[in-house]
Amino acid sequence: QSVLTQPPSVSGAPGQRVTISCTGSSSNIGAGYDVHWYQQVPGTAPKLLIYANNNRPSGVPDRFSGSTSGTSASLAINGLQAEDEADYYCQSSDSGLSGWVFGGGTKLTVL
Amino acid sequence: EVELVESGGGLVEPGGSLRLTCVVSGITFRNAWMSWVRQAPGKGLEWVGRIKSKTSGGTTDYAAPVKGRFTISRDDSRDTLFLQMDSLKVEDSAVYYCTTGPGGKGYWGQGTLVTVSS
Repeated sequence: QSVLTQPPSVSGAPGQRVTISCTGSSSNIGAGYDVHWYQQVPGTAPKLLIYANNNRPSGVPDRFSGSTSGTSASLAINGLQAEDEADYYCQSSDSGLSGWVFGGGTKLTVL
Repeated sequence: EVELVESGGGLVEPGGSLRLTCVVSGITFRNAWMSWVRQAPGKGLEWVGRIKSKTSGGTTDYAAPVKGRFTISRDDSRDTLFLQMDSLKVEDSAVYYCTTGPGGKGYWGQGTLVTVSS
């Protein structure tokens, strides 16, 4: 059972917009800790997609965006492309656990 | 170019020990807070622990499942991070990644596989 809750799967057709939710609590996202998002293609290392809630590292397309509200966060992907098919994880910190916490991951399927 | 290269994984029996190494290049390692993250086969990401830079105190924090069994250390003279794993359990089987974390631009190594089995 992950501390942060994500839907197991989402899907969308090429060109569409999809969102992935990440629900936490008052000891992590709700406490103001930053939320980060990773993309992982199976068999490879995770890649930082969004850091500090809504910032993109150099090289990440602006089709990807992040937001937070209360005890939740969301990752939005606009203009879905076949290459976006991967697993996505949210990550934050938790005051009660003194370290990082991850969501269980969401598998994105591009139809 | 930034590179993190893990090594030291392998097959070990329950109760055994293993020491993982992560050699870092392309960043000022001594200033970096470093973490270990693992991923069991077919499962999600799990934070293992972290070591701060010496200028930030050099202290360590661990996830509950590994606290008291795993030890993270660093050798800044060799730009190297270590994970000493003792009293290994079957459920410790995973790919282990070292990472600078999102605060350090989110660099990750390619991972090293640890299998705990009799």
